[in-house]
Amino acid sequence: GEDVEQSLFLSVREGDSSVINCTYTDSSSTYLYWYKQEPGAGLQLLTYIFSNMDMKQDQRLTVLLNKKDKHLSLRIADTQTGDSAIYFCAEKGSGDSSYKLIFGSGTRLLVRP
Amino acid sequence: DSGVTQTPKHLITATGQRVTLRCSPRSGDLSVYWYQQSLDQGLQFLIQYYNGEERAKGNILERFSAQQFPDLHSELNLSSLELGDSALYFCASSVGQGGGYTFGSGTRLTVV
Repeated sequence: GEDVEQSLFLSVREGDSSVINCTYTDSSSTYLYWYKQEPGAGLQLLTYIFSNMDMKQDQRLTVLLNKKDKHLSLRIADTQTGDSAIYFCAEKGSGDSSYKLIFGSGTRLLVRP
Repeated sequence: DSGVTQTPKHLITATGQRVTLRCSPRSGDLSVYWYQQSLDQGLQFLIQYYNGEERAKGNILERFSAQQFPDLHSELNLSSLELGDSALYFCASSVGQGGGYTFGSGTRLTVV
């Protein structure tokens, strides 16, 4: 089956690093994504990683993929108050589900000044 | 502005009524996806269209229907509304059927 799981909440101090974790079940997923949702807004694509990669870095964002354990993480360096939002992990389905993204329940990140 | 336009932004209606949500995809995108976001169910995939044709169906109720028009805009029709249909409805688009989606800002539907 298809399932994506995330912890619900993370609180960090401004300037620290944040690590948001995600596990997924579909080992044939080709792409994995991180989206950010700010209050009252839609989901904004932050970054994505192809399943044959272990790591991807984009400015303050680092994505790590452990395909064996089906574990994805998003590290935000030097976290700022503007990073406070809900972060969604998503996997692109495979086979009959290849047309849709399957989202986790989201991790609410709170950045304390 | 993501390039995906959803109207209206807010909608309040009574139980039993019917509403239509509209989505204009980003220029050049052929795929349109509809998602429902509620507090208890998270983001649920409803339906996908590609270049006017339905391609995939998710957890979409029979009371709900959608279509994509020749100009690629899409409409989601919700009928016989119930209190539990209150949610944020998002439209997203993509060029093809891979890669990430671009989301609109959503329509907040409140059924009273």
